[in-house]
Amino acid sequence: TQLLKQSPQFLSIQEGENLTVYCNSSSVFSSLQWYRQEPGEGPVLLVTVVTGGEVKKLKRLTFQFGDARKDSSLHITAAQTGDTGLYLCAGVYTNAGKSTFGDGTTLTVKP
Amino acid sequence: DADVTQTPRNRITKTGKRIMLECSQTKGHDRMYWYRQDPGLGLRLIYYSFDVKDINKGEISDGYSVSRQAQAKFSLSLESAIPNQTALYFCATSGGAEETQYFGPGTRLLVL
Repeated sequence: TQLLKQSPQFLSIQEGENLTVYCNSSSVFSSLQWYRQEPGEGPVLLVTVVTGGEVKKLKRLTFQFGDARKDSSLHITAAQTGDTGLYLCAGVYTNAGKSTFGDGTTLTVKP
Repeated sequence: DADVTQTPRNRITKTGKRIMLECSQTKGHDRMYWYRQDPGLGLRLIYYSFDVKDINKGEISDGYSVSRQAQAKFSLSLESAIPNQTALYFCATSGGAEETQYFGPGTRLLVL
């Protein structure tokens, strides 16, 4: 059973379009992280959100943490081909010292 | 040089064989993790360690064992490999206030 459910699982769009990826759970997390993974490599952290309702922006990427700290979204504005990759959310249990990962969203941005 | 290294990068083995995957880190972190990745299932935690004397089972530890030889080294063993252990395996360390995880490049394992 996946504690963190991401949607959609696959997304294929044209360059310049906007998109949103969702990460939902019934669990409350200390914080939530988003990672991006390219083929042949390990995931790399994009952002950590800590406070319920928090919004963080990283250039064209906007991350939001739900008020109840159970869910999150990633919005990409004007997608570029370089955004192609697997996006993973991870709920962090700080006291337990571990994280649980979502099932991933594979994004393909076509030129 | 990479902060987290894994060897081997690719491995083909036969059912019933014992194999070991190795991980080394230069980040100075106490916490280390082993995950497996399967298509559509994200990353699932196999084992994790908070220091040399503290090792914990993750959500899918059956069929696996680990050894924390030093702060910088954490190895994963498959005692008797089976085909459904075919997967991509990642080692990671974590540290800092936000518990950022730093991943190695992965080991692609095929069990025939």
